[in-house]
Amino acid sequence: DTGVSQNPRHKITKRGQNVTFRCDPISEHNRLYWYRQTLGQGPEFLTYFQNEAQLEKSRLLSDRFSAERPKGSFSTLEIQRTEQGDSAMYLCASSWEGARTEAFFGQGTRLTVV
Amino acid sequence: DAKTTQPNSMESNEEEPVHLPCNHSTISGTDYIHWYRQLPSQGPEYVIHGLTSNVNNRMASLAIAEDRKSSTLILHRATLRDAAVYYCILRDYGDDKIIFGKGTRLHILP
Repeated sequence: DTGVSQNPRHKITKRGQNVTFRCDPISEHNRLYWYRQTLGQGPEFLTYFQNEAQLEKSRLLSDRFSAERPKGSFSTLEIQRTEQGDSAMYLCASSWEGARTEAFFGQGTRLTVV
Repeated sequence: DAKTTQPNSMESNEEEPVHLPCNHSTISGTDYIHWYRQLPSQGPEYVIHGLTSNVNNRMASLAIAEDRKSSTLILHRATLRDAAVYYCILRDYGDDKIIFGKGTRLHILP
């Protein structure tokens, strides 16, 4: 296994367009997390899944954001009608469930909205 | 949401030990203490975790206070490659999602 893979690595889009990011977790992991990170800040929790079930979505996340994990494997994060404030690094992580487990992070997708 | 307090930044000299503190005065009995670090332009990476006892691994040591209200991440011999943001995170047995705070930016001086 090559670890957590995120695609694309970079995305430039015009304001108002929709974008979709993909995350391929470590294959045996049942937990998958999405985060957003802006310059100088720690990663901000967006949502997480156990298998295909979305367990929690941050209350700070607008309705323009949606994530899914069909069949409990890869996950997609879609942002509709992008705004300049959506420009950030989007990080994905996977792990086994449980507070003792180690999470593995991908390299992230850097989104720039122009 | 972050339940930990860390200094914003620290400096250390190369090849010397580094002690990174973390306060978590409201820790519950089921909270695990985790440390992650984020190198420049990388995703975070796991460093170490513990519950009550001190822990050692190939990357670092974790010293946990007897009352568990604080902990210290110890890098035994810092290198330039250890320059990163270090995050101290509590993960509860019942709600184990990973919530990051602002972390400590560690600068290593050659």
